[in-house]
Amino acid sequence: EVQLVESGGVVVQPGGSLRLSCAASGFVFDDYTMHWVRQTPERGLEWVSLITWDGGSTYYADSVKGRFTISRDNRKNSLFLQMNSLRTEDTALYYCAKNLEPEITAGLFGHWGQGTLVTVSS
Amino acid sequence: EIVMTQSPATLSVSPGERATLSCRASQSVSSNLAWYQHKPGQAPRLLIYGASTRATGIPARFSGSGSGTEFTLTISGLQSEDFAVYYCHQYNNWPPWTFGQGTKVEIK
Repeated sequence: EVQLVESGGVVVQPGGSLRLSCAASGFVFDDYTMHWVRQTPERGLEWVSLITWDGGSTYYADSVKGRFTISRDNRKNSLFLQMNSLRTEDTALYYCAKNLEPEITAGLFGHWGQGTLVTVSS
Repeated sequence: EIVMTQSPATLSVSPGERATLSCRASQSVSSNLAWYQHKPGQAPRLLIYGASTRATGIPARFSGSGSGTEFTLTISGLQSEDFAVYYCHQYNNWPPWTFGQGTKVEIK
């Protein structure tokens, strides 16, 4: 069974930093492109970032480009999101998600975690 | 960026009835359209991809149709576990991948 478990969400002040983690199990992690997606009541679901299965390519939403960095450790079946220069508008529930099919950069989200809550507030 | 618009925002349906949800794209996404079900406190679940292909383990009462810019998710014979929020998602033009704002299916 595919499992994605996010962690690391906390309350942080504007301008601060945070690192989210996603522990993956139940599939061959290093075969799949992974994503971060966030959700807020105001903006709904918003794709944040992608990293290909080999870590060779990354993509970012314009709203986080230059502030967030996605990475992965295929030896530890883990996905990360380093979030710097946080803003109040980054407050959201952050999900990690796995591509439906292996070794495809694009595609859709076959499985999601339950999310971790990031609150940016002074 | 492709904007996805879902209607209605809320749909009130009695158990056993049919629910029809709509999703419109601001430009053609071919058949690269997925539907997800989301219940509070749970992970979103993939229902439909390729506009009409049911994901593994999804009951036959869920069906998708459409192509280009107009798409429909139909839930036939609504069951209690089907009351949730449903999102459409285009994966044709990226980045960014974009979602509709969701349709909440509630008990009438």
